[in-house]
Amino acid sequence: DVKVTQSSRYLVKRTGEKVFLECVQDMDHENMFWYRQDPGLGLRLIYFSYDVKMKEKGDIPEGYSVSREKKERFSLILESASTNQTSMYLCASSWQVTDTQYFGPGTRLTVL
Amino acid sequence: KQEVTQIPAALSVPEGENLVLNCSFTDSAIYNLQWFRQDPGKGLTSLLLIQSSQREQTSGRLNASLDKSSGRSTLYIAASQPGDSATYLCAIDSNYQLIWGAGTKLIIKP
Repeated sequence: DVKVTQSSRYLVKRTGEKVFLECVQDMDHENMFWYRQDPGLGLRLIYFSYDVKMKEKGDIPEGYSVSREKKERFSLILESASTNQTSMYLCASSWQVTDTQYFGPGTRLTVL
Repeated sequence: KQEVTQIPAALSVPEGENLVLNCSFTDSAIYNLQWFRQDPGKGLTSLLLIQSSQREQTSGRLNASLDKSSGRSTLYIAASQPGDSATYLCAIDSNYQLIWGAGTKLIIKP
């Protein structure tokens, strides 16, 4: 079975802090994705990566950056956390772009 | 721009009933449509994937249909069980990115 793990289930940070969210997948998938999920809005794509060191902006990249130094690991970085970044963050991976995506359990981030 | 809508936002039905969840989309130019399930505190699990050329897919008690011309998909759940309680999301693969509905929260009452 595909396993996607995220470094934290719950995280509380203060405004202005630098925040790292990490995601690891164990199936040698080429593609990895970061989403945020807010009530009533569904999932929105922040960034995705289709290869090591390659990244593409999604629909809402502002305030975020990403890093993919190794194929299995995809990190989401909040350079200076703000209260409007309080959300559920979900990581996913897939073999090919059109294949189904496998999701991690999510990180619920609260920025105070 | 593709938009995906799921109505209703929440649904509560007695155990044993057959039910239908709806998903509508604005642009018929899609690669595929997927239905996911999300349980509280857990990530999303893919249930069914319908390719653009297909009309339906079945898995156990689940059946998903796709009508591109009308911009609609339905997820049919037969003989519902309390374990089916979850949020169900549909996602459209349009231009190699998934566009998501906000989901329908389903509660099956024992």
